[in-house]
Amino acid sequence: ETGVTQSPTHLIKTRGQQVTLRCSSQSGHNTVSWYQQALGQGPQFIFQYYREEENGRGNFPPRFSGLQFPNYSSELNVNALELDDSALYLCASSSRPAAEAFFGQGTRLTVV
Amino acid sequence: AQTVTQSQPEMSVQEAETVTLSCTYDTSESDYYLFWYKQPPSRQMILVIRQEAYKQQNATENRFSVNFQKAAKSFSLKISDSQLGDAAMYFCAYRSAYSGAGSYQLTFGKGTKLSVIP
Repeated sequence: ETGVTQSPTHLIKTRGQQVTLRCSSQSGHNTVSWYQQALGQGPQFIFQYYREEENGRGNFPPRFSGLQFPNYSSELNVNALELDDSALYLCASSSRPAAEAFFGQGTRLTVV
Repeated sequence: AQTVTQSQPEMSVQEAETVTLSCTYDTSESDYYLFWYKQPPSRQMILVIRQEAYKQQNATENRFSVNFQKAAKSFSLKISDSQLGDAAMYFCAYRSAYSGAGSYQLTFGKGTKLSVIP
C-alpha cells in the first residue's frame, strides 16, 4: 500500500506565472485536502475534494483552483503567482471527508 | 471561526526526560476533535495522538499522552522518556465533528519546535 505522494518536491517560479502541483492519494482514499504552510506558520486549509467535487474551501482567492480525477488523484493550480504564495503545499488524503487524514511530504514552492 | 494557539514557539528537553507542550483553542462547538501532529525535517505531517471532545478520558499512545481540559479549552501534549527522534515541529489542530459545508478541515496552531538534548 503506497502512501500519499506529491510532485514535484521543489519548484521555483516567477511572479505572474502559473503552477500545477500534483498529489496521488493513498490507495482506497477518495478525499483529498490541500493546505498551504508558510514559513514559520501552521498549515492553512485551501480546499477539499471528495469524489471529484469540491467539498469545502478555505479563505483563498479564486486563482487557487483544483481538480480531482476519477482515480482520486488531485491537482492544485495557482494562477498569477505572487511572492506571498511561496510556501510548502501539503496534500492529505482520507477514506472519506471525516476520516483521519494522511499527509504527503509536500511541495516547496518558491516564487521569485 | 475556530482558532488554535500554541504559546511556546520553542521548547527543549533532555533525552529521557518529560516535556509538556501547550495548546489552547477557541470554539463555540460542543463536539469536535483535537490532534497533535509531528512534522520532522522530512516535512510530512504525522499524527501523534487524537482526542474526541465527548470523551472525558485523556488519550494516550505509548510515550505520548494529553491533558484535555474542555472547560478551559486546553489541550496539552506530554512526551515521556524523550528520544532524539522526537525532535520536530509539533502542531496542535482542531476539527469539527460535524460539517455544514461538507468538508472537515483541520485548523492548526503555529507550532512548537521541540529540541531534544542528548
